[in-house]
Amino acid sequence: SQQGEEDPQALSIQEGENATMNCSYKTSINNLQWYRQNSGRGLVHLILIRSNEREKHSGRLRVTLDTSKKSSSLLITASRAADTASYFCATDARGTYKYIFGTGTRLKVLA
Amino acid sequence: NAGVTQTPKFQVLKTGQSMTLQCAQDMNHEYMSWYRQDPGMGLRLIHYSVGAGITDQGEVPNGYNVSRSTTEDFPLRLLSAAPSQTSVYFCASSRPGVENNSPLHFGNGTRLTVT
Repeated sequence: SQQGEEDPQALSIQEGENATMNCSYKTSINNLQWYRQNSGRGLVHLILIRSNEREKHSGRLRVTLDTSKKSSSLLITASRAADTASYFCATDARGTYKYIFGTGTRLKVLA
Repeated sequence: NAGVTQTPKFQVLKTGQSMTLQCAQDMNHEYMSWYRQDPGMGLRLIHYSVGAGITDQGEVPNGYNVSRSTTEDFPLRLLSAAPSQTSVYFCASSRPGVENNSPLHFGNGTRLTVT
């Protein structure tokens, strides 16, 4: 079974609104990463948060990590139509090099 | 730098045929991996390698073989293709370092159809 599970599976919002997606995982990790994928193309790395960090920002992205709940959230502020994509979280179980991905959230931003 | 290069981009196979999906990276990354992506399933790890001569199984290794004779290349072999292997295959690499604090770099994928 997959390490990460994203919620919601799909999200549709208006341009300018904020988008929040969540990720839950099962084991202790070294770090958690978020990726973006456009239309079945290769994934692009967005942000990495280490297991000893609680929050991280990059431009319009804000990521939080709660290791006690084994969960993370990705917030995209002031969304744009160009943010329409699928977003995946990925974790590596501590002590391994297995980067396991969740099932993804499909975000649609309406202009 | 070309990054991660996958060939071919598209492939159609008949059941029982064999083929090799190629993956090459020019970033001197020790870590390389193969994923398959099916609709609604996200990415599932097939095999990975932490360096030349070292490979290990991921979540869904059955039906696939890999080898890592050089740092740059990590081919994925389908020995006897089955319709269940119809998928999009992605290769990824990174320089894991201490505590794996390095992002994965992805190729653009190979779309495989098995009839």
